[in-house]
Amino acid sequence: NAGVMQNPRHLVRRRGQEARLRCSPMKGHSHVYWYRQLPEEGLKFMVYLQKENIIDESGMPKERFSAEFPKEGPSILRIQQVVRGDSAAYFCASSPKTSGSYNEQFFGPGTRLTVL
Amino acid sequence: AQSVTQLDSQVPVFEEAPVELRCNYSSSVSVYLFWYVQYPNQGLQLLLKYLSGSTLVKGINGFEAEFNKSQTSFHLRKPSVHISDTAEYFCAAKPSGTYKYIFGTGTRLKVLA
Repeated sequence: NAGVMQNPRHLVRRRGQEARLRCSPMKGHSHVYWYRQLPEEGLKFMVYLQKENIIDESGMPKERFSAEFPKEGPSILRIQQVVRGDSAAYFCASSPKTSGSYNEQFFGPGTRLTVL
Repeated sequence: AQSVTQLDSQVPVFEEAPVELRCNYSSSVSVYLFWYVQYPNQGLQLLLKYLSGSTLVKGINGFEAEFNKSQTSFHLRKPSVHISDTAEYFCAAKPSGTYKYIFGTGTRLKVLA
């Protein structure tokens, strides 16, 4: 059973370009979460999605960032007009349908974005 | 506000010596607690987790942690470290009834020969 998959693993963009990060959840998982890890910091929650729905985007920067989890295909985190401060590791996690109060998230290997 | 504090940003220790990485949390509700390890340029690997029950939790690679509710701590320990344990260690909390994991800033463990 494959774990959470993210691609690309490394992404280099120049300032002003767009970055698209993909996340395929574990089989049977319908909930996806994105976290960002800035240099020398811990992971910070960005957004929580279910299929075709954004449940909580309270951790997303107000501009340039968007996320989706379509009915078919992976979840996409999109960053438009990237700036140097967007350089970070972006982690995706997935969980099965919520039941009860405990719902473990399984983390992917991350995408390391470098903005030149 | 809920938070996780890892007081030590770096911990150097000699091979085969014991180590303790400290983690304190702050939450108004009950929490689930986790320790993750991150090797350079890799993802997060779950070391162990506390959900309920016994306060002493054993994980992979010989690590263990003890949940102390009165001190709101969840310190990670290993009795004898190896060079291969050199990595960054993250403590995380997940308040009951929520889905957001709250991570500490990490502790870089460096095992010296």
